[in-house]
Amino acid sequence: SYVLTQPPSVSVAPGKTARITCGGDNIGGKSVHWYQHKPGQAPVLVIYYDSDRPSGIPERFSGSNSGNTATLTISRVEAGDEADYYCHVWDSSSVHHVFGTGTKVTVL
Amino acid sequence: QVQLVESGGGVVQPGRSLRLSCAASGFTFSSYGMHWVRQAPGKGLEWVAVIWYDGSKKYYGDSVKGRFTMSRDISNNTLYLQMNSLRAEDTAVYYCARESSGTYSFDYWGQGTLVTVSS
Repeated sequence: SYVLTQPPSVSVAPGKTARITCGGDNIGGKSVHWYQHKPGQAPVLVIYYDSDRPSGIPERFSGSNSGNTATLTISRVEAGDEADYYCHVWDSSSVHHVFGTGTKVTVL
Repeated sequence: QVQLVESGGGVVQPGRSLRLSCAASGFTFSSYGMHWVRQAPGKGLEWVAVIWYDGSKKYYGDSVKGRFTMSRDISNNTLYLQMNSLRAEDTAVYYCARESSGTYSFDYWGQGTLVTVSS
C-alpha cells in the first residue's frame, strides 16, 4: 500500500516560515491535499490539488509538489497556526485514500 | 451552510456491533461522495471508507474490510457506518467527510463521534 511520511514535529517562531514535508514514491504524479487539525475540532482543508487554497484560507498557506516530496508552507506563522497537519492523496492503484503520518506544528 | 453531524458512538464490547450515523444538511447530499475517517487516541488520521454519490460503489480500508459496511439514505440525507466484529483497535473518533467534487479532497468534516471498544 502507498505510504506517506511526514516529520513528527516542526517548531517555528511567530512571524517565521514553517515548511512541512510529505514524502511518497513519485508523489509528484499525484494530487496532494493538506489538512489542519486542532484538538477537539474537525479537520480543515487548507490546500487541495497541490497548491490551491479553498475560500477563506489565508494566502500565508501555500503548497508545492514534485518528485518524491510535497511541501506545505506556512508563511508569517501565527499562534493560531499551532495544530497537527496531514497530507492526503488518492491512490489510484488501490482505489484507497491515504493520509500522511501527521506533523505537529508548535509555535514557539 | 454545510453541516455534518455524527452520532451513534459509545462504549461497546469486543465482538459486538455499532452503527454510526452522519446527518448532512446545507447541500445536495445525493450529488457528493462521502467518506468516513477515524483517529485512534494519540494517532493520526486513517481513511476508513467511501461511498459514491449515487451509492453505486463503496471501497473500504484494509483494516475494516469485511467488517464495516457503509450506506446512505438519500430520503433523509443520512450516511451510515455499520461496524461489526469490533476490536479494541477500532477505538477512535470517527468523522464523516464530504468529498469535494472532482478533487478527491475532503472539503467539509463533522465534529466526530467517539467509539470505544472495551470489555
